[in-house]
Amino acid sequence: DSGVTQTPKHLITATGQRVTLRCSPRSGDLSVYWYQQSLDQGLQFLIQYYNGEERAKGNILERFSAQQFPDLHSELNLSSLELGDSALYFCASSVVVAGGSDTQYFGPGTRLTVL
Amino acid sequence: ILNVEQSPQSLHVQEGDSTNFTCSFPSSNFYALHWYRWETAKSPEALFVMTLNGDEKKKGRISATLNTKEGYSYLYIKGSQPEDSATYLCAFSGYGGSQGNLIFGKGTKLSVKP
Repeated sequence: DSGVTQTPKHLITATGQRVTLRCSPRSGDLSVYWYQQSLDQGLQFLIQYYNGEERAKGNILERFSAQQFPDLHSELNLSSLELGDSALYFCASSVVVAGGSDTQYFGPGTRLTVL
Repeated sequence: ILNVEQSPQSLHVQEGDSTNFTCSFPSSNFYALHWYRWETAKSPEALFVMTLNGDEKKKGRISATLNTKEGYSYLYIKGSQPEDSATYLCAFSGYGGSQGNLIFGKGTKLSVKP
């Protein structure tokens, strides 16, 4: 158990809908990262927050957005969902913003299925 | 576009065999190289973070080496056990404004037969 929690574990929804994925980092970790794992793809970095502020953006679609709240939990919002958004979404956390050499601890993931 | 390649894609070995896999990454702007172990239905678990050329790390029967000049890292497992069956991921981090981003390879899936 990494100490990172994610809810829900599974989510099934329809195209065009909007969903929110939630992540609570490990106690003391200030950085939160979101990753997407699609079929046949490696883990793709989406976005990073540090202490409430956006620090880095990866291959995140405009239909997706995220935020980190004062209690450091983070939410990833996915809207106008398409079939291709079906994937495993991971949240990870680390202690500091210089994350290049920080170990990132991964949560259990949320499996999103768009029908 | 930065690319991280892992080989082989999958590997089947017998219990007791030693094995190794390769991770290739860009040699320029190198900051760190991470290895993760990912068991089915679980989350990726950190094994090593390596930052210096020539670095060697060890954790039990698993060890890793790093060559930043030529852009590769090897992961070795000595005397594989069935519980070592998992996908092993490497991830590259480079210098720059987004050095917290990890660029992952697609992994090497290891199956160890009893």
